[in-house]
Amino acid sequence: AQKITQTQPGMFVQEKEAVTLDCTYDTSDPSYGLFWYKQPSSGEMIFLIYQGSYDQQNATEGRYSLNFQKARKSANLVISASQLGDSAMYFCAMREGRSSGNTPLVFGKGTRLSVIA
Amino acid sequence: NAGVTQTPKFQVLKTGQSMTLQCAQDMNHNSMYWYRQDPGMGLRLIYYSASEGTTDKGEVPNGYNVSRLNKREFSLRLESAAPSQTSVYFCASSEWRGTFPNTEAFFGQGTRLTVV
Repeated sequence: AQKITQTQPGMFVQEKEAVTLDCTYDTSDPSYGLFWYKQPSSGEMIFLIYQGSYDQQNATEGRYSLNFQKARKSANLVISASQLGDSAMYFCAMREGRSSGNTPLVFGKGTRLSVIA
Repeated sequence: NAGVTQTPKFQVLKTGQSMTLQCAQDMNHNSMYWYRQDPGMGLRLIYYSASEGTTDKGEVPNGYNVSRLNKREFSLRLESAAPSQTSVYFCASSEWRGTFPNTEAFFGQGTRLTVV
């Protein structure tokens, strides 16, 4: 069963506008972490932001914030004030907690974001 | 600080040929991973090694073998390459601290493999 779902294959946003990239997840483990990565056209994987399942507040890192809705099992990435350099592929990923052992990251299929000038 | 280093960056193989993708990390991480990335499929886990001396299958292990040579190095071997193994391969590493999965994985720059 797919554990991470990203329903938006592609998104467009105007420069300087905010954009939300959707991510829903599925796990029965109460302890888990959610991660977002950026992959620009050059191909490298860049870690952006992390949210733990027990965190009371939504994570923020500069222009990135994570809209964490635990009951809905969603962890949407919000990018504020989009820049041309934000054009890239974005991946949501999850790692389950101790009850599953030392588990690897499981990725969604990604969303390609294009920022328009 | 090199992080995770993969070799080679590009490779073309003929069907049936074998090759080994090399990966080394200098962050003293316990866990290492091999993923493949195909268009529209995201990153799929091939094999991982939670710690030195252990390896486990991921989502798409068929056609691959791995070796955790030591704490630093984790290699991926294609014994008889097939066109379906044309992909971009990523090695990654991470640390497992305490009881909570709060550590991100660090990725190598990827290997673009074409099997003809």
